[in-house]
Amino acid sequence: DGGITQSPKYLFRKEGQNVTLSCEQNLNHDAMYWYRQDPGQGLRLIYYSQIVNDFQKGDIAEGYSVSREKKESFPLTVTSAQKNPTAFYLCASSMGNNEQFFGPGTRLTVL
Amino acid sequence: KQEVTQIPAALSVPEGENLVLNCSFTDSAIYNLQWFRQDPGKGLTSLLLIQSSQREQTSGRLNASLDKSSGRSTLYIAASQPGDSATYLCARGDGQNFVFGPGTRLSVLP
Repeated sequence: DGGITQSPKYLFRKEGQNVTLSCEQNLNHDAMYWYRQDPGQGLRLIYYSQIVNDFQKGDIAEGYSVSREKKESFPLTVTSAQKNPTAFYLCASSMGNNEQFFGPGTRLTVL
Repeated sequence: KQEVTQIPAALSVPEGENLVLNCSFTDSAIYNLQWFRQDPGKGLTSLLLIQSSQREQTSGRLNASLDKSSGRSTLYIAASQPGDSATYLCARGDGQNFVFGPGTRLSVLP
């Protein structure tokens, strides 16, 4: 059953803490993306990766970091430098620059 | 900076009506355009993808068109049903990544 999985579904972060969101895909897609969605707004691109061991900053990369050591995995770390991290985080993948497929999302809340 | 806008922001219609959602983008050098559906608290579900060389795509009751010269795409939903209630987003692809519109929130009343 091919698709994209994200974990955890809900995540709570204390002030000053780093947290890592998981994204895994078994679609054999080359490209993977991380987006942030705030209430009533569209998606904003945080980071994307077109190939293993390579990634580029999106529009709002400050306070976030990523790695792409394996084709199927693209974890996102929300660092303490991100001052307003409460949001819904969505991971996506695509083959080349064609149709994007999304995971179910992770809702991050700062306590 | 590339921008994608969607009109209207919200729409409420009675069941059975045909409706059109609009998506506008500022750069005509488009690679593709994708329409998505998002239910509350969920991820995005791909509905239709139109490549820059195409003018429209159809899937069931959905039809999406693309006019590069005017920077517009429309999503036509025929014979709307309460199950169509969701937020609909369009995304413009430029060959590297995608820029999303803010979405249209659709309510279909039984």
